Amino acid sequence: GENVEQHPSTLSVQEGDSAVIKCTYSDSASNYFPWYKQELGKGPQLIIDIRSNVGEKKDQRIAVTLNKTAKHFSLHITETQPEDSAVYFCAASIGYDMRFGAGTRLTVKP
Amino acid sequence: NAGVTQTPKFQVLKTGQSMTLQCAQDMNHNSMYWYRQDPGMGLRLIYYSASEGTTDKGEVPNGYNVSRLNKREFSLRLESAAPSQTSVYFCASSELVWGSANTGELFFGEGSRLTVL
Repeated sequence: GENVEQHPSTLSVQEGDSAVIKCTYSDSASNYFPWYKQELGKGPQLIIDIRSNVGEKKDQRIAVTLNKTAKHFSLHITETQPEDSAVYFCAASIGYDMRFGAGTRLTVKP
Repeated sequence: NAGVTQTPKFQVLKTGQSMTLQCAQDMNHNSMYWYRQDPGMGLRLIYYSASEGTTDKGEVPNGYNVSRLNKREFSLRLESAAPSQTSVYFCASSELVWGSANTGELFFGEGSRLTVL
């Protein structure tokens, strides 16, 4: 089955800096790549997603890039704010089977 | 609009006991899922139900059973709990329909924290 690896496991940045989280996947048939944010005590929430026929997508301060050839995708957060502090998960899916990375704990220091 | 509701939120069991986690969604979604979340391992798919009346195994189905009671409800049962099943369990739903252009976005509940002693 699909295997998703996510790096780094922890990331600490100063407020206003950028943060980048990277993921690789193993199954070239995966066609949907979402990113979820999980705050303490809550379920994960979608923040941005990209489909395999698109190379880049942006939504205000967050962007995702996808390199199908290399089978990796990345989350970019610019102008980070303290409220961006959370655990972020990447995922890759084929149909109903969505596999998640292990997560990145992002801390934004004021 | 409640979204995805899970009960109970917390449960402590002894090894060998059984229990059922309940999940209900009010978004008229077709597909529903059960994940478990363990430190350093992300979320792992236990079972999913693509539509009412169907269920399929995910990545880690052993030790679990599921029932898609109707379109709204999807339950997860532990017949004989083991300490390895100590985890946080998340139910999710999606409007995904195979072959359609629907988004695969998962909407998660707030989780059920299960401890097996």
